Amino acid sequence: GENVEQHPSTLSVQEGDSAVIKCTYSDSASNYFPWYKQELGKRPQLIIDIRSNVGEKKDQRIAVTLNKTAKHFSLHITETQPEDSAVYFCAASSYGGSQGNLIFGKGTKLSVKP
Amino acid sequence: KAGVTQTPRYLIKTRGQQVTLSCSPISGHRSVSWYQQTPGQGLQFLFEYFSETQRNKGNFPGRFSGRQFSNSRSEMNVSTLELGDSALYLCASRARGQGASDTQYFGPGTRLTVL
Repeated sequence: GENVEQHPSTLSVQEGDSAVIKCTYSDSASNYFPWYKQELGKRPQLIIDIRSNVGEKKDQRIAVTLNKTAKHFSLHITETQPEDSAVYFCAASSYGGSQGNLIFGKGTKLSVKP
Repeated sequence: KAGVTQTPRYLIKTRGQQVTLSCSPISGHRSVSWYQQTPGQGLQFLFEYFSETQRNKGNFPGRFSGRQFSNSRSEMNVSTLELGDSALYLCASRARGQGASDTQYFGPGTRLTVL
């Protein structure tokens, strides 16, 4: 089955710096890659996603890149702010057929220091 | 639209008991998935329901079961509780079941503590 590895497990940056979180997946059939942000005590919330027919997607300060050949995808946050501090999860899924499950990485705890 | 809701938000049970958790998806969403979140294992997929049928199942023992009703609301049940079942149980809903890569929206979770 699918396996998703996420690095680093913790990341500390200064406000205004960029943060990069990387994930690799094992199943070449995976075609949907969302990123979720989870603040302490809150539910995971989707911040950006990318599908396998796209190499890069941006939304203001957040971008995701996908390399299908190498089976890895990355989250880039520019101009970080203290409110970006949270745990970020990457996930992968194959929605072809009946599969609707997300396989998550173990998460990255991002701390943005003012 | 109201978001995904889960009840109860907190539960304390003792080993050997059973528990039922409830999830109401976003109006119009027909697919509900359940996940277990623990500090050690992270977010793990339990099962997905669509049109009252279990469509996919994760690697959990048979003590974990679920069902979906005709209004898309879902319940999950854990029987013979073990200490290791203590976790945050999250459900997520999405608009369509099969063949569509649409967004999953999570509920606030039910925090289960097994003593």
